[in-house]
Amino acid sequence: EVQLVESGGGLVQPGGSLRLSCAASGFTFSSYGMTWVRQAPGKGLECVSYISGGVPTTSYADSVKGRFTVSRDSSKNTLFLQMNSLRVDDTAVYYCAKPGDAGGFASWGQGTLVTVSS
Amino acid sequence: EIVMTQSPATLSVSPGERVTLSCRASQSVGSNLAWYQQKPGQPPRLLIYGASTRVTGIPARFSGSGSATEFSLTISSLHSEDFAVYFCQQYNTWARYTFGPGTNLEIK
Repeated sequence: EVQLVESGGGLVQPGGSLRLSCAASGFTFSSYGMTWVRQAPGKGLECVSYISGGVPTTSYADSVKGRFTVSRDSSKNTLFLQMNSLRVDDTAVYYCAKPGDAGGFASWGQGTLVTVSS
Repeated sequence: EIVMTQSPATLSVSPGERVTLSCRASQSVGSNLAWYQQKPGQPPRLLIYGASTRVTGIPARFSGSGSATEFSLTISSLHSEDFAVYFCQQYNTWARYTFGPGTNLEIK
């Protein structure tokens, strides 16, 4: 069974940093591209970063480019999101998501809440 | 960026009714379209991929259709557990996937 467990969220002041983790199990982690998706309170879903399987290639939403960095440690089956220069509008639940074999995000973690506030 | 729109934003219906939710893409995404259901406090759940293929375990009352820029999700007879927010998502452009703003399906 696929499991994704996020951690690392919390309260941080504007301009601060956080590092999110997503521990993966139940599948061959290194073979899959993984995505961080966020959802601001009461709002919709936004893909903020993607990292491919194999030799990592990354992609970022314009809203986080230059501030967020996605990485993975396949030896530990863990996905990371380093978030710097955080802004109030980065406040959201952050999910890691695994694609299905034929499209869409078939597996999601329960999410970790990031609150950026002074 | 491909912009996804959904209509209506909110739909008030009674259990047992048939409903159709709409999703439109700003440019063609072929059949690279997924539908999700989200309940409060939970992550989204994938219902449909490839515009019309149900995920294993999703009830047959859910069906998807459409291609290119126009898509729909139909629930043939609403059950109480179907009241939720529904999102569409395009995954046609590598690593630049986008979601619609969602349709809130509420009990009348």
